[in-house]
Amino acid sequence: DAGITQSPRHKVTETGTPVTLRCHQTENHRYMYWYRQDPGHGLRLIHYSYGVKDTDKGEVSDGYSVSRSKTEDFLLTLESATSSQTSVYFCAITSAGATDTQYFGPGTRLTVL
Amino acid sequence: KQEVTQIPAALSVPEGENLVLNCSFTDSAIYNLQWFRQDPGKGLTSLLLIQSSQREQTSGRLNASLDKSSGRSTLYIAASQPGDSATYLCAAFNNAGNMLTFGGGTRLMVKP
Repeated sequence: DAGITQSPRHKVTETGTPVTLRCHQTENHRYMYWYRQDPGHGLRLIHYSYGVKDTDKGEVSDGYSVSRSKTEDFLLTLESATSSQTSVYFCAITSAGATDTQYFGPGTRLTVL
Repeated sequence: KQEVTQIPAALSVPEGENLVLNCSFTDSAIYNLQWFRQDPGKGLTSLLLIQSSQREQTSGRLNASLDKSSGRSTLYIAASQPGDSATYLCAAFNNAGNMLTFGGGTRLMVKP
């Protein structure tokens, strides 16, 4: 594995509450990504980062924000969780350039009631 | 918008069989094509990456090919084993180099 951890691994929350998921990497990789995985939709990119304080939107960014104040941490925030955000969230990094092989974390299963 | 399709969605084969998984993409302007494996409840594991200028890549019993002009990639698994049972996903990296678009995956079961 590429030294990627995600926390929490499981979370149950209620509609309307804020939620923050953390992705932590130990190897100083520049590029980091947040995906969600849903049955029938596969994996879809939410946001990505190409450096500290440098982030951009992916395919399904509405309702999500991200922050990267340190190289090793990429945070995904749901400002006001909705049931449609129930999903499995994966963080990924690339080991070299932006288009290199992506390595994935173990995932966070989020349930919004 | 890039769309990636994998057929079949599920496949069951007896141990020892050689098999081919298919991946098609609608926009041939890709930077590379990546194949991943996902075990139940786990993250994705990278298997192979084929650059747009390459035709194929091999790793052990796995061989992936790429035909950009027809918008297709295949993953060939030789002498399948029960341990190969997993979901296999392909993903196309766009030319802008900022987005990987995934297919829905093929769920493979190799029976002993």
